[in-house]
Amino acid sequence: ETGVTQTPRHLVMGMTNKKSLKCEQHLGHNAMYWYKQSAKKPLELMFVYNFKEQTENNSVPSRFSPECPNSSHLFLHLHTLQPEDSALYLCASSQDPSGGAVGELFFGEGSRLTVL
Amino acid sequence: KQEVTQIPAALSVPEGENLVLNCSFTDSAIYNLQWFRQDPGKGLTSLLLIQSSQREQTSGRLNASLDKSSGRSTLYIAASQPGDSATYLCASAASGSRLTFGEGTQLTVNP
Repeated sequence: ETGVTQTPRHLVMGMTNKKSLKCEQHLGHNAMYWYKQSAKKPLELMFVYNFKEQTENNSVPSRFSPECPNSSHLFLHLHTLQPEDSALYLCASSQDPSGGAVGELFFGEGSRLTVL
Repeated sequence: KQEVTQIPAALSVPEGENLVLNCSFTDSAIYNLQWFRQDPGKGLTSLLLIQSSQREQTSGRLNASLDKSSGRSTLYIAASQPGDSATYLCASAASGSRLTFGEGTQLTVNP
């Protein structure tokens, strides 16, 4: 496996379900991200992790819960979602230099989520 | 807060044409700027990364330029092909913050 892999590629869930999205990066990067992409809207940054530590949470509702057990794996746990949460969820990674700079971003193929 | 705008929102050209996609940003104190390609239902593929100290980057038929003083970047695609049809997104990282994305330009290259 190379690059950034996401599973599942497609997910349909009811509003009372609990599910998780998984992301794994094989690039040796130190930062991982979750983005949300809805129709007709720019990508929205949700969470950022550097060396397993969450460094950003862009006012994301608590029904989305991220987990980063190590620098290569990132999860997004989903619970009691709403239909408006239906979107493409993209994971990305980068090798960020020190000092707060941002490296080149590499994305996975995304997980298409539909909430019924 | 950084804002990124891409014009046009959609573009349709005949095969073989050279074309330019535009990206503008409000905060000129950027760290870098990236151009991505996205095919329908897929993730983003990084095309070119321009650091703030650079004026342009080239990869094959693609050339991206950066003018920080005017807050603009352009992506030039030479000799377009039907396989170039996709949505092209630019994103800039202002110093001390993460990438901000534009809404993209949907490109269709007709055979």
